[in-house]
Amino acid sequence: EDQVTQSPEALRLQEGESSSLNCSYTVSGLRGLFWYRQDPGKGPEFLFTLYSAGEEKEKERLKATLTKKESFLHITAPKPEDSATYLCAVRGSGGYQKVTFGTGTKLQVIP
Amino acid sequence: EAGVVQSPRYKIIEKKQPVAFWCNPISGHNTLYWYLQNLGQGPELLIRYENEEAVDDSQLPKDRFSAERLKGVDSTLKIQPAELGDSAVYLCASSLGQGHEQFFGPGTRLTVL
Repeated sequence: EDQVTQSPEALRLQEGESSSLNCSYTVSGLRGLFWYRQDPGKGPEFLFTLYSAGEEKEKERLKATLTKKESFLHITAPKPEDSATYLCAVRGSGGYQKVTFGTGTKLQVIP
Repeated sequence: EAGVVQSPRYKIIEKKQPVAFWCNPISGHNTLYWYLQNLGQGPELLIRYENEEAVDDSQLPKDRFSAERLKGVDSTLKIQPAELGDSAVYLCASSLGQGHEQFFGPGTRLTVL
């Protein structure tokens, strides 16, 4: 069974203080690793898809990277509006190729 | 472009009562998903549709949950009868296809008293 573990569970940063969120995964044949952002009371919002080790993608202050066992979401000089829960998910090649989500990292950026 | 629409946004019912949730996906998206999300947890897949066909309902508690996607567009998820443990947010998502990114609706927050 595919598994996704995210750490830390919660992270509090000062505005401008860069950091990284971790997503460790075990999957039978990775078909894609996804990062989503979720604000309170809303559904997850798609950020990135990564497919192979070494791949990187960027969007504004966010950069996602991928290795064979984990993915990192790097946040450079965060702003208060980056506060949200960040979810990682994987799609494997197993039965039905379903997407499995982690429990998320709750990020708070303090002005 | 309109996003995924869900209704109602909130629902409070007594246990043993039935409840239904409705989802209208993004136009042109053939794949539709229903997820359950408990507080502090990630979404958990209940069922996935490819057009009208339910291709993965392995996690759907079929004794009380049912779903349908008539004409391959809108979908309805039903619970009958509801139990206290069903209190959660029910999310609908859609995508162009199984391998593509999913776009989520705002969810329906269900409270069972």
